Amino acid sequence: DIVMTQSPDSLAVSLGERATINCKSSQSVLYTSNNKNYLAWYQQKPRQPPKLLINWASTRESGVPDRFSGSGSGTDFTLTISSLQAEDVAVYFCQQYYSTPITFGQGTRLEIK
Amino acid sequence: QVQLQESGPGLVKPSQTLSLTCTVSGGSINSDSFYWTWIRQPAGKGLEWIGRIYTSGSTNYNPSLKSRLTISIDTSNNQFSLILTSVTAADTAVYFCARDDAAVGTMNVWGQGTTVTVSS
Repeated sequence: DIVMTQSPDSLAVSLGERATINCKSSQSVLYTSNNKNYLAWYQQKPRQPPKLLINWASTRESGVPDRFSGSGSGTDFTLTISSLQAEDVAVYFCQQYYSTPITFGQGTRLEIK
Repeated sequence: QVQLQESGPGLVKPSQTLSLTCTVSGGSINSDSFYWTWIRQPAGKGLEWIGRIYTSGSTNYNPSLKSRLTISIDTSNNQFSLILTSVTAADTAVYFCARDDAAVGTMNVWGQGTTVTVSS
């Protein structure tokens, strides 16, 4: 199984400031034949299911604000929120879909400082 | 707008069988474009992928659950189901069903989740 490890486990950021969450995979999730990273990011608010934000490591889903961006390749990835809004308080998960079993990071809890 | 809704008992006794159904509305489950997936989340913890089924009936299971797990699909009723046998307290979780875009591999539509507690 590919192990996904996120850092930090929790993060407190002031409104309007940048938030950065890291995700590392135990093996590369870059498929060389199409040069795509099989890495997604989800946002989960309390008592709600996860919401897909980004796939292919950096492609935002339709309707996701452009303050959310994803970057990275191979084994190291980052989710950045450029200017934190109150509604961004949530737990964020990375997920690899390079191989089954699909696996998720342990989650990063994002709060307002 | 496709919607998914989980249903099933909220309480299961240890060693018994957990059965859940996911009903798909607003679209057909009989599509080559999607996998139909189960994921669970113990309270306050992370997400565990349980497995998925394609419209053809082919499945992928998490090896950690494979010996106890069956996922099936009922295209006539637009539903898919999960059966997990010999449950223990470790199977207590919120169970989500989700639609997995087969062209991508990510879950872009989720049910609200149903809480299953394993307790005598």
